[in-house]
Amino acid sequence: AQRVTQPEKLLSVFKGAPVELKCNYSYSGSPELFWYVQYSRQRLQLLLRHISRESIKGFTADLNKGETSFHLKKPFAQEEDSAMYYCALDTGGFKTIFGAGTRLFVKA
Amino acid sequence: EAGVTQFPSHSVIEKGQTVTLRCDPISGHDNLYWYRRVMGKEIKFLLHFVKESKQDESGMPNNRFLAERTGGTYSTLKVQPAELEDSGVYFCASSHGSPLYNEQFFGPGTRLTVL
Repeated sequence: AQRVTQPEKLLSVFKGAPVELKCNYSYSGSPELFWYVQYSRQRLQLLLRHISRESIKGFTADLNKGETSFHLKKPFAQEEDSAMYYCALDTGGFKTIFGAGTRLFVKA
Repeated sequence: EAGVTQFPSHSVIEKGQTVTLRCDPISGHDNLYWYRRVMGKEIKFLLHFVKESKQDESGMPNNRFLAERTGGTYSTLKVQPAELEDSGVYFCASSHGSPLYNEQFFGPGTRLTVL
């Protein structure tokens, strides 16, 4: 079954500390993975996608096929990073499978 | 550009009633998607339109849900009759092409509460 698992519902870190949001997926084919973010009172929006190999707002994510993971990392968290983060899987069509999300809270 | 719009923003209805949610995608986006987030759970894909055609409705929970996109512009999602478990936030999104290469733009969502 195709599934995305985000084991942490809430992650709280201090400003300036490193942050890692965990994401594991289950998919037998070649996965394409994304991270979406929803800031307070804003819409869900794309943060980054694996296929682009990009770094957005200091965030990076590496696909590890052996561990079936796509963890999101940032070396120094900022208060404005506080938001809900969703990991998502695209199986090659137009159907995106989301995880349950992790709420990141960056404390001053 | 207005972005994806959804109406209403909130709806509170009683079990057994009917509710119709509306989504206006970004102009020119042929692809339109409906998703639902039940509290504490994942954002779940419901269905995908290309223009007026349903391409994938594998995520629709049951036949109480009916989605339409007449004319390939705005879309409606009707729930009839509503049940308690239908409560959640319903998101609409649109994209120019495949989400693999084209960003999906999301609407603000409609929060549905069934009492």
